[in-house]
Amino acid sequence: KQEVTQIPAALSVPEGENLVLNCSFTDSAIYNLQWFRQDPGKGLTSLLLIQSSQREQTSGRLNASLDKSSGRSTLYIAASQPGDSATYLCAVRDSNYQLIWGAGTKLIIKP
Amino acid sequence: SAVISQKPSRDICQRGTSLTIQCQVDSQVTMMFWYRQQPGQSLTLIATANQGSEATYESGFVIDKFPISRPNLTFSTLTVSNMSPEDSSIYLCSAGGQTGYGYTFGSGTRLTVV
Repeated sequence: KQEVTQIPAALSVPEGENLVLNCSFTDSAIYNLQWFRQDPGKGLTSLLLIQSSQREQTSGRLNASLDKSSGRSTLYIAASQPGDSATYLCAVRDSNYQLIWGAGTKLIIKP
Repeated sequence: SAVISQKPSRDICQRGTSLTIQCQVDSQVTMMFWYRQQPGQSLTLIATANQGSEATYESGFVIDKFPISRPNLTFSTLTVSNMSPEDSSIYLCSAGGQTGYGYTFGSGTRLTVV
């Protein structure tokens, strides 16, 4: 059974720092992995989608990598800003079109 | 990717009543999903709704409590029936999952039952 783990559970850094969020999964047979952002009490915004055949995806200051063999993905945020404060969730898609979720990393960027 | 409009965005309801949440997608999608997110927790899948068939419910969720409609390829509703304070959560709809594409989410419905 696929399990997804996100470390750390919470992270607080000063504005301007580069940071890395981690996501690990137990079964390497995934279709894709998606990173989301969630602001308090709100819905989810998709940040990056990495297909199983891809190694990384980039969007602006965000870069996500995928290493299927080791069951890991990282989300790199460059030059962090207070507006980046949110909970970041990763999810892997299984063969039944369902998403298996990590518990999220709550990120706080201090001005 | 699809854009989903979800409403209401929030509501405060009396126990014993029902609330229907609507999601409208700006394009035709085969699969839609309904999630619940309890305070401080990650998402839990309630059911998968495919047009033209009965929704498929996950363990712990039943149709009598969470009836779902999927009348066409762009619309779905979730009703939370006979509500109790334990139903206070954020409810989210999602669509997507076609080969090569990810999932899109609505903006969520924040439900408080008093």
